Amino acid sequence: AQTVTQSQPEMSVQEAETVTLSCTYDTSESDYYLFWYKQPPSRQMILVIRQEAYKQQNATENRFSVNFQKAAKSFSLKISDSQLGDAAMYFCAFHNAGNMLTFGGGTRLMVKP
Amino acid sequence: ETGVTQTPRHLVMGMTNKKSLKCEQHLGHNAMYWYKQSAKKPLELMFVYNFKEQTENNSVPSRFSPECPNSSHLFLHLHTLQPEDSALYLCATSMGHLYEQYFGPGTRLTVT
Repeated sequence: AQTVTQSQPEMSVQEAETVTLSCTYDTSESDYYLFWYKQPPSRQMILVIRQEAYKQQNATENRFSVNFQKAAKSFSLKISDSQLGDAAMYFCAFHNAGNMLTFGGGTRLMVKP
Repeated sequence: ETGVTQTPRHLVMGMTNKKSLKCEQHLGHNAMYWYKQSAKKPLELMFVYNFKEQTENNSVPSRFSPECPNSSHLFLHLHTLQPEDSALYLCATSMGHLYEQYFGPGTRLTVT
């Protein structure tokens, strides 16, 4: 079974600064997908960014980018120029062809004005 | 916001009650999911439906009973719940199992 670990229960960042959220996973598969989801307070969970394991290039979506280290089974999320609206729970998730989505425990990000 | 709606948004029920949670999607997706989100625990997958057929039951107690009458609607029927069942219940949909999932706003359930 796959496991996803987010070792930082809480993180804080100053507005306009950069923050990196950590995620590691355990799998014996070689082909899979990784996601970061954002869940703002009392609002719907939305997809932030997606990475296919076969792609060496790190995914980027505006101010959000990932550092995907396949050998190390690491998938961190970098948020640049942090904004107040970035405050939320962030979940790392793993998905391969045979199994469903497995989520990490989440990291609560606080953004200080 | 994302084409997936859930009703009710909040529900308080006693342990002897019977209630149902509803999920509706307007995205034309084929797969629908129920998750349980408890405080300080990772999201737990409960059920998966693919083309209206249940393909996954993640060892969920029988007091939770899913129903998928068509590709746009998913229900979770609840009966004789326990206080530890209090949680946020999230519905999600996707084009298929390999695609990203779109989540509803959730139903905050409190069992008294």
